[in-house]
Amino acid sequence: QQQVRQSPQSLTVWEGETAILNCSYENSAFDYFPWYQQFPGEGPALLIAIRSVSDKKEDGRFTIFFNKREKKLSLHITDSQPGDSATYFCAASSQGGSAKLIFGEGTKLTVSS
Amino acid sequence: ETAVFQTPNYHVTQVGNEVSFNCKQTLGHDTMYWYKQDSKKLLKIMFSYNNKQLIVNETVPRRFSPQSSDKAHLNLRIKSVEPEDSAVYLCASSLVSAETLYFGSGTRLTVL
Repeated sequence: QQQVRQSPQSLTVWEGETAILNCSYENSAFDYFPWYQQFPGEGPALLIAIRSVSDKKEDGRFTIFFNKREKKLSLHITDSQPGDSATYFCAASSQGGSAKLIFGEGTKLTVSS
Repeated sequence: ETAVFQTPNYHVTQVGNEVSFNCKQTLGHDTMYWYKQDSKKLLKIMFSYNNKQLIVNETVPRRFSPQSSDKAHLNLRIKSVEPEDSAVYLCASSLVSAETLYFGSGTRLTVL
């Protein structure tokens, strides 16, 4: 049973557009939601994260919008660049600690120029 | 800057062989992990080690075993590989109380 779901599975946007990646979860106890970015041939790396007490987290061109009531969150990448082409993983955990991170299936983003 | 080092990058082997992958971290973290990433990019935790103690052990086949000599090293041995073991194996580390994982670049295993 997949506790963290992502959509779409793949997404293509043009350079300069805003990419929107979606994530939903089932466990109401989840309180920490990081997004990891993975380039081909590399391991995932933390991009940005949000806690359930917040509804928005911004870091440059990357913004997480969080809706606790609907158990949904989204990652918005504004002014998308070809260098943003990667697979993005939404993850969730409760009670802290990396060992409890549950990863979604990932969204493969392609930014065309 | 790479701080979690994995060797080898690739390994091709035959069904039934034994393989071993190495991982070293230079971040001073006290917890290390092995993840399996399948062909669909799904990430599944296999093991984590904290101060030489196995603290998470998901239901992986018994032919998999983690081996740690100190908190900076965590190797993975697979005894008698099966075709379904073909995947990318990712090593990661963190502080036990922290929420951020630092991943290596992975070892891609192909079982023929």
